[in-house]
Amino acid sequence: DAKTTQPNSMESNEEEPVHLPCNHSTISGTDYIHWYRQLPSQGPEYVIHGLTSNVNNRMASLAIAEDRKSSTLILHRATLRDAAVYYCILRVSNTGTASKLTFGTGTRLQVTL
Amino acid sequence: DTGVSQDPRHKITKRGQNVTFRCDPISEHNRLYWYRQTLGQGPEFLTYFQNEAQLEKSRLLSDRFSAERPKGSFSTLEIQRTEQGDSAMYLCASSLTSGAGGEQFFGPGTRLTVL
Repeated sequence: DAKTTQPNSMESNEEEPVHLPCNHSTISGTDYIHWYRQLPSQGPEYVIHGLTSNVNNRMASLAIAEDRKSSTLILHRATLRDAAVYYCILRVSNTGTASKLTFGTGTRLQVTL
Repeated sequence: DTGVSQDPRHKITKRGQNVTFRCDPISEHNRLYWYRQTLGQGPEFLTYFQNEAQLEKSRLLSDRFSAERPKGSFSTLEIQRTEQGDSAMYLCASSLTSGAGGEQFFGPGTRLTVL
C-alpha cells in the first residue's frame, strides 16, 4: 500500500480555518484519497474523499495537488467538537479488493478557545 | 439508532481465557470489517466479510483468532487463550459498496483488557 505522511499534531483556535496536510508521494493513478477522523472514545468516522479534483461536503473540503503527491483537508471553522485524530488514507479503486482501510498514526488536532 | 453496534463495550479477562465479541452492522450492508487499535496507533485491519464469506484475513489474525458472519448479518470475533498482547480496542465497520468510494461506518468498539 502506498504510504501517507502527516504531522503528529496541530493546534487551532476555535472559529478559525484549519489546514491539515498529507503527503503521499508514492500514490498511484488509481488511488483515492480518503480522510477519516476519530473523536475521543469513538470509532473512526468518514470525512471526505477525492481522486483528482477538489471536493467539498458539509464537513470539510479536500484540496488535492495537481501532481496528487499531497493533499490538504480544510475545516473552514474549527469548533471544539472537531478535536480529533485525522487520518489520511489511500485506497485502491479496484473493486475486486477488500477496500480495507490502512490507517497511519494520523494528526491529532487540538482546538482551543 | 441504526448505526453499527458492538457488544460488549468493555471486557476484562484473565490471560488464557476465551472471549467473544459481537458486531451488528447497519442492515443491508453487505461488507463487514474487523480492525484492532492499540493505544496511540491507528486501527489495523484484521479481516473482512462480504455477506457470509470471509474474503481476506490479515497476518495479524493468528490461529487463536476466529471470525464468523453466519447468514451474512451479525459477526462474532473470538479470541482463544488470550494473551496480554491482545489488549486493544476491537472495532467493527460495515459498508454498502465496494470500491474506493465505499464509506465505512464504524461501531464504538469493544475494549479488551487481558490481565
